[in-house]
Amino acid sequence: DTGVSQDPRHKITKRGQNVTFRCDPISEHNRLYWYRQTLGQGPEFLTYFQNEAQLEKSRLLSDRFSAERPKGSFSTLEIQRTEQGDSAMYLCASSPGLAGGQSTDTQYFGPGTRLTVL
Amino acid sequence: GNSVTQMEGPVTLSEEAFLTINCTYTATGYPSLFWYVQYPGEGLQLLLKATKADDKGSNKGFEATYRKETTSFHLEKGSVQVSDSAVYFCALSRNAGGTSYGKLTFGQGTILTVHP
Repeated sequence: DTGVSQDPRHKITKRGQNVTFRCDPISEHNRLYWYRQTLGQGPEFLTYFQNEAQLEKSRLLSDRFSAERPKGSFSTLEIQRTEQGDSAMYLCASSPGLAGGQSTDTQYFGPGTRLTVL
Repeated sequence: GNSVTQMEGPVTLSEEAFLTINCTYTATGYPSLFWYVQYPGEGLQLLLKATKADDKGSNKGFEATYRKETTSFHLEKGSVQVSDSAVYFCALSRNAGGTSYGKLTFGQGTILTVHP
């Protein structure tokens, strides 16, 4: 079990550029979440996948943001036409689901991708 | 909507001091409650959880009790160590019949620094 990995760990871009982040969940976890964390705040939910289906999106996820999880494995989060307000830590988490009869679908977090928009 | 409020930080303590970090919540129904910890340079880790009223979650000497009447889930530890220095987040998720699932709603986090 190698844990959740995210790439890149840091990204600096200029306003108006597009960026894409990747998340590799723990193997066999069928749920994958994206969160955004700004300085001094807790993570805020962005979107959630069960396998390849995107089941829930936050109002925070404007039309400049798009997330995919092809084949239900890794996921990508793309931000188009970045703005300075997009500067944040983008966190990915995965969970196994409740198929095994557990009472809690524990989420395991990756180290995050820190985005700086100049 | 759901929300979580944590006590303002940062909190600075001497080793072996008693720790309390307050957490209150607003939610529809009865959520599941969590404490996550983020050590320097690492990702968020689940510290403890409780899924119904009066449940006590515990781990690594930390405890928190789900208080429905006060909508609170305060984190406590009797004797902190330097290695407990981290950021602590209170969070909630949906709960259906004792089963916790879905997105997490987090508080703003409390920075704890423990000095030798």
